[in-house]
Amino acid sequence: AQSVTQPDIHITVSEGASLELRCNYSYGATPYLFWYVQSPGQGLQLLLKYFSGDTLVQGIKGFEAEFKRSQSSFNLRKPSVHWSDAAEYFCAVAVNSGYSTLTFGKGTMLLVSP
Amino acid sequence: KAGVTQTPRYLIKTRGQQVTLSCSPISGHRSVSWYQQTPGQGLQFLFEYFSETQRNKGNFPGRFSGRQFSNSRSEMNVSTLELGDSALYLCASSLGRDFTDTQYFGPGTRLTVL
Repeated sequence: AQSVTQPDIHITVSEGASLELRCNYSYGATPYLFWYVQSPGQGLQLLLKYFSGDTLVQGIKGFEAEFKRSQSSFNLRKPSVHWSDAAEYFCAVAVNSGYSTLTFGKGTMLLVSP
Repeated sequence: KAGVTQTPRYLIKTRGQQVTLSCSPISGHRSVSWYQQTPGQGLQFLFEYFSETQRNKGNFPGRFSGRQFSNSRSEMNVSTLELGDSALYLCASSLGRDFTDTQYFGPGTRLTVL
């Protein structure tokens, strides 16, 4: 069965600094990967997704992620963090099936210090 | 286009009671998925409906059930509530053609069981 690991439960970054959130997946075939963000009291918002092709994908709000098959990773990056980026970030994988089911990591809480 | 809506946003119930949560998908979306989010277990898939049929089910007891109506609105029901059912219940909708269709999440229903 597929699984997703986000090794960091919390990360604190200074405003204006760069950010990298780690995500590792376990799945036998080509994974279909997503990053979602959840602000307090809100649902999940899709930041970006990877299905195939270019291994560097661009998303909303200035985020990007790089798929590395050799490392089974799909890390999320942002060159300069803003205070409004403070939220919880979830990496998820979808399997090649006839229906929509996501398997999520446990999430990484991003704190932004002034 | 209106997003996914969930009602009610907050619920307080006591052990042994039952509860029904409602989800209205984005117009044109035929797939509705339900997820349970808790601090300990994270986001876990409950079930997915497409055109009034349950297509996939997660590993939850039979106390958790759902249905979908002809207008794609969905309800989930939890019977004989337990303290451990306290969670944020998220609904997501998509076109449902296959696993690559993006899932859009609602704000969730916060259920507290006393």
